[in-house]
Amino acid sequence: AQSVTQLDSHVSVSEGTPVLLRCNYSSSYSPSLFWYVQHPNKGLQLLLKYTSAATLVKGINGFEAEFKKSETSFHLTKPSAHMSDAAEYFCVVSDIEAKTSYDKVIFGPGTSLSVIP
Amino acid sequence: ETGVTQSPTHLIKTRGQQVTLRCSSQSGHNTVSWYQQALGQGPQFIFQYYREEENGRGNFPPRFSGLQFPNYSSELNVNALELDDSALYLCASSQTVNNEQFFGPGTRLTVL
Repeated sequence: AQSVTQLDSHVSVSEGTPVLLRCNYSSSYSPSLFWYVQHPNKGLQLLLKYTSAATLVKGINGFEAEFKKSETSFHLTKPSAHMSDAAEYFCVVSDIEAKTSYDKVIFGPGTSLSVIP
Repeated sequence: ETGVTQSPTHLIKTRGQQVTLRCSSQSGHNTVSWYQQALGQGPQFIFQYYREEENGRGNFPPRFSGLQFPNYSSELNVNALELDDSALYLCASSQTVNNEQFFGPGTRLTVL
């Protein structure tokens, strides 16, 4: 069965310092993995995705994530936080449900990122 | 290119009532998925529609139902509303199954 664990419900960093948001997953197949960001009162925006190509994935706004199969992890990083990065971040795992071929999409519970000036 | 749109933006209902939420998929997309996001939680998958047929369903009771129309827009219907149905309802469309999903801004439903 699929599941997603985001190890920190809240992360606080100072502006200009690195960001690390942790995600572990379990999946029976070879999953696709995503990170989404959700700003207050706005829709979900895709930051980056892993779909079995390069294990280091670069996304928008300077974010990147590394797929580590041995650790079943897909942590999100950014070298230098900006005030505009303050938002809710969701790690997502997606498999194709074998019986019906629909996208079985599981969201993690989210990590709230605060950026201190 | 118009993105995913949802209506209404906000909605207030009382327990026992029925509600219909609407979603217009992005141009060229034939797959629509619906999610429920309770306050402080991640979105939970409700169901997916592909070419007007329900293609998969999450762990939601039958009072959550949907439709997809020939133009691939979609409706989410919820009968016999309960207080716990209060949430942000998100619609996402994709070019087809197992493609990147693009999310709409959501409909905020409050059940009193």
